[in-house]
Amino acid sequence: GQNIDQPTEMTATEGAIVQINCTYQTSGFNGLFWYQQHAGEAPTFLSYNVLDGLEEKGRFSSFLSRSKGYSYLLLKELQMKDSASYLCAVRDNPGTASKLTFGTGTRLQVTL
Amino acid sequence: NAGVMQNPRHLVRRRGQEARLRCSPMKGHSHVYWYRQLPEEGLKFMVYLQKENIIDESGMPKERFSAEFPKEGPSILRIQQVVRGDSAAYFCASSPSVPANIQYFGAGTRLSVL
Repeated sequence: GQNIDQPTEMTATEGAIVQINCTYQTSGFNGLFWYQQHAGEAPTFLSYNVLDGLEEKGRFSSFLSRSKGYSYLLLKELQMKDSASYLCAVRDNPGTASKLTFGTGTRLQVTL
Repeated sequence: NAGVMQNPRHLVRRRGQEARLRCSPMKGHSHVYWYRQLPEEGLKFMVYLQKENIIDESGMPKERFSAEFPKEGPSILRIQQVVRGDSAAYFCASSPSVPANIQYFGAGTRLSVL
């Protein structure tokens, strides 16, 4: 079966750095995605990793290790508006256009 | 370039009624996906469609649920004879036919069954 694990909740201080981990066990692997979701809103695409290593995009970076079944999302210079849920998702089918399997999300609270 | 458009944003139905949820993909996107999100749970895949074809419906309940993506017009997720357990947020996503195939999500339809 498919299993994606991430912490349920995290708290961090404005201006700090936070790392949100995600581990996965899936029957196949064809990419890992991170989305941000504010309460009551649509998930917004943040990053995509298909090869091992670090992808950097402004204040957000995402890392992938396929051999370990592990990814993390790194948020730097935290702002209050970063308080949201962060969803880790895996595309496990060989085709590039196929479903995503999501973790339950990590709710991040940024405090002053 | 408008994003993924879903309507209605909120839908209230009584038990036994039908619910129709509509989704217009982003311009240039030919792949549509429907996901369901229950309170305090993750997004669960339901169905993946291309124009006039259902590609993967492995997440769809066997009864009462159906989906279509006609040649013209939006994709429709239809729930017949709704029950209280159908109350959830239903999200539609679309993606282009290019490598990576990033899925972009609409704002969702929140269905409440009374």
